[in-house]
Amino acid sequence: DVVMTQSPLSLPVTLGQPASISCRSSQSLVDSDGNTYLNWFQQRPGQSPRRLIYKVSNRDSGVPDRFSGSGSATDFTLKISRVEAEDVGVYYCMQGTHWGTLTFGGGTKVEIK
Amino acid sequence: QVQLVQSGAEVKRPGASVKVSCKASGYLLASYYIHWVRQAPGQGLEWMGIIDPGGVRTRFAQKFQGRVTMTRDTSTNTVHMELSSLRSEDTAVYYCVRGDRDLEIWGQGTMVTVSS
Repeated sequence: DVVMTQSPLSLPVTLGQPASISCRSSQSLVDSDGNTYLNWFQQRPGQSPRRLIYKVSNRDSGVPDRFSGSGSATDFTLKISRVEAEDVGVYYCMQGTHWGTLTFGGGTKVEIK
Repeated sequence: QVQLVQSGAEVKRPGASVKVSCKASGYLLASYYIHWVRQAPGQGLEWMGIIDPGGVRTRFAQKFQGRVTMTRDTSTNTVHMELSSLRSEDTAVYYCVRGDRDLEIWGQGTMVTVSS
């Protein structure tokens, strides 16, 4: 199975400051169809996960533009340009390229300093 | 409004089985793949398996092979996930999720507690 490794585990951020989360995969996530199926999810406390980003950099409808995704092959990043209070929660990356088994990163907890 | 509505919380004894339902509203379930993902208390997300739009083909994570069944009922626009031989480590919130390579729409989750 493809192993997804996120860092950091915990990310204390000052309101209004940027935040960045790294996600690395043990294999390339470039599919034979040319797409890279790397997704980012946000899970606020007590809520179901919500998809933010699909195929590396495509924001879902309703997701603020302060969220952006980038990367290629095995190295990916989720950035929040200016953290707001509502961004507190755990963020997960997930690969859908090797979909014999979908795999998630371990999660990064974003909290306000 | 497109949403997935899951059945209520369950408490089961070790060795028993649990069946969790996931009803689609606002769209036809038969048009999309449905995944099941679980989350143990305080832990991360774990993919369990997938059922295809036709409800014919399923695929499961190796650790659940032989213990999980996923079925689709087109008459009620509902998908079911049954997990057997429950043990305490199966205590978790179970989510159904619409999507194929990218898990787009999540249900609200069903808490399953396994306790003697």
